[in-house]
Amino acid sequence: QVNLVQSGAEVKKPGASVKVSCMASGYTFTTYGISWVRQAPGQGLEWMGWITAYNGNTNYAPKLQGRVTMTTDTSTSTAYMELRGLRSDDTAVYYCARGVATLGYWGQGSLVTVSS
Amino acid sequence: DIQMTQSPSSLSASVGDRVTITCQASQDITNYLNWYQQKPGKAPNLLIYDASNLETGVPSRFSGSGSGTDFTFTISSLQPEDIATYYCQHYVNVPPYSFGQGTKLEIK
Repeated sequence: QVNLVQSGAEVKKPGASVKVSCMASGYTFTTYGISWVRQAPGQGLEWMGWITAYNGNTNYAPKLQGRVTMTTDTSTSTAYMELRGLRSDDTAVYYCARGVATLGYWGQGSLVTVSS
Repeated sequence: DIQMTQSPSSLSASVGDRVTITCQASQDITNYLNWYQQKPGKAPNLLIYDASNLETGVPSRFSGSGSGTDFTFTISSLQPEDIATYYCQHYVNVPPYSFGQGTKLEIK
């Protein structure tokens, strides 16, 4: 069965970087892309972008351009999302999901807290 | 950016009721629209893709319709386990693939 397992919670100081991982299993990793979506406490869903696993093409939300980098490691079927220059409003649960358009399987979420 | 406007933002209904949520796009997105259900503390779950196609394993009381700019999501007979927040999302190839602001559904 398809499973996406994300890395654990992180606490970061403003200005730092965070890298969240998402390990996929149960399907051929390079067949699908990986999208990233975040959710601030008590708020709605925010699309961050996607990466195609077979060639690494990316598509980022304009508001995050320059601060976010999505990568994949096909040898370990793992996707990564790095966010730099963290601010307090980056505090959120970060989700990975399989696909670039229709997100049929999701990770469990990784809480990133930005606090001084 | 394409803006997705969902209404209502919250809704209270009784078990067995027919529930309808609407989603309006700021420009034509043909049928490039998904609907997700999110229960508290959980990841979202895909219910409807391409505006009207039911995801495998999703109960048939859920349905979606619409095209262009106006879309509707319906629960034909509300069940207690349907209590959740529902989101629409477009995926026209113009980033960002915005979500609607969500509709929180409660039991009356």
